[in-house]
Amino acid sequence: SYELTQPPSVSVSPGQTASITCSGDKLGDKYVCWYQQKPGQSPVLVIYQDSKRPSGIPERFSGSNSGNTATLTISGTQAMDEADYYCQAWDSITYVVFGGGTKLTVL
Amino acid sequence: QVQLQESGPGLVKPSETLSLTCTVSGGSISNYYWSWIRQPPGKGLEWIAYIYYSGSTNYNPSLKSRVTISVDTSKNQFSLKLRSVTAADTAVYYCARVVRGSSPTYYFDYWGQGTLVTVSS
Repeated sequence: SYELTQPPSVSVSPGQTASITCSGDKLGDKYVCWYQQKPGQSPVLVIYQDSKRPSGIPERFSGSNSGNTATLTISGTQAMDEADYYCQAWDSITYVVFGGGTKLTVL
Repeated sequence: QVQLQESGPGLVKPSETLSLTCTVSGGSISNYYWSWIRQPPGKGLEWIAYIYYSGSTNYNPSLKSRVTISVDTSKNQFSLKLRSVTAADTAVYYCARVVRGSSPTYYFDYWGQGTLVTVSS
């Protein structure tokens, strides 16, 4: 089955750039999306089709995908960005696959 | 603005069947895929299944033998049944709208608030 791997945690200082990676076999051949989930809330789509932002998502959120790694980048990270982030892709055998999630700490 | 609302029992006994319904408001269930996703307490997201409004389905291979997803377009609802539950099925269950893009790709743009289902005697 297809698997996506994320680091369990990432830390960033306010105002700096946070990068969260998601790795999988030939992931660059697939589209990746990213969700933000704050405690007690439902996930929110922040990036789809590798690098597109839904309406209402701040420009500081961006994404890229190449080779075996997709990256969610948050520029000028704010305290409100502290959350869990999940990558997700679609595979023809496993269908929908989520990464294990990354806890972003802004300190 | 599309809204999704999960409903169903919050407590299910081991070996019984978990049944949930998602009611879609603010838009039609037609022309979209719809999905169930769950999240055990303190853990990550796990996709369960999705269904097209016409009734075609896809299931997580690891759950396929125990899961049925169905749709009722007349009520703008879709449902989940998970059979033979154990404590490992305790989770927050979310319903979500699926966007099917080219390539293909599937992602979730609207989510319900989630409902906690506990499996316990």
